[in-house]
Amino acid sequence: GNSVTQMEGPVTLSEEAFLTINCTYTATGYPSLFWYVQYPGEGLQLLLKATKADDKGSNKGFEATYRKETTSFHLEKGSVQVSDSAVYFCALTSNTGNQFYFGTGTSLTVIP
Amino acid sequence: DAGVIQSPRHEVTEMGQEVTLRCKPISGHNSLFWYRQTMMRGLELLIYFNNNVPIDDSGMPEDRFSAKMPNASFSTLKIQPSEPRDSAVYFCASSPTGLGTKFFGPGTRLTVL
Repeated sequence: GNSVTQMEGPVTLSEEAFLTINCTYTATGYPSLFWYVQYPGEGLQLLLKATKADDKGSNKGFEATYRKETTSFHLEKGSVQVSDSAVYFCALTSNTGNQFYFGTGTSLTVIP
Repeated sequence: DAGVIQSPRHEVTEMGQEVTLRCKPISGHNSLFWYRQTMMRGLELLIYFNNNVPIDDSGMPEDRFSAKMPNASFSTLKIQPSEPRDSAVYFCASSPTGLGTKFFGPGTRLTVL
């Protein structure tokens, strides 16, 4: 079946540190992969996505590359800011489109 | 575009009372999803509709929960009777099709005393 596993948090980093949040998936077929971000008190927002192998999604300085060989979609940012403090969710949708699977979320806190 | 609209944003009620949460999806989106978020269980899909038809309600926890989508621009999630363990943030999301990007509303924070 389909599932998403992401690293457990919470993660605490100093401002300007490098961020990696690991995400691996199990899927049949060719899923699309997503990262969503949830700021305190708000709903989830799409951060970036990739729809096929080797695609790189990027937005707001965040990047993730769809790696089929390692079934991974790790989120990275070279220099985090305090405003990046949020919960990050990795997700996939099956190639039939009928199911959408979220990871458990990783809480990130960036301290000045 | 106003995005997905949910109301109320906060609801506090007493155990046993009926609670109705409302959602207006983005115009033109064919799919609508109800999620529940708690610290213990994370984000759970409760039910989703495609073209106003419930497609998968296997995530609805009990018969106390029901959801309707009478038209393309409105959906409700009802809990009757409510219980303290129903306390959570309930999110509505819509997408142009069942595939791909979901757009989430701001959520309704429900507290059942």
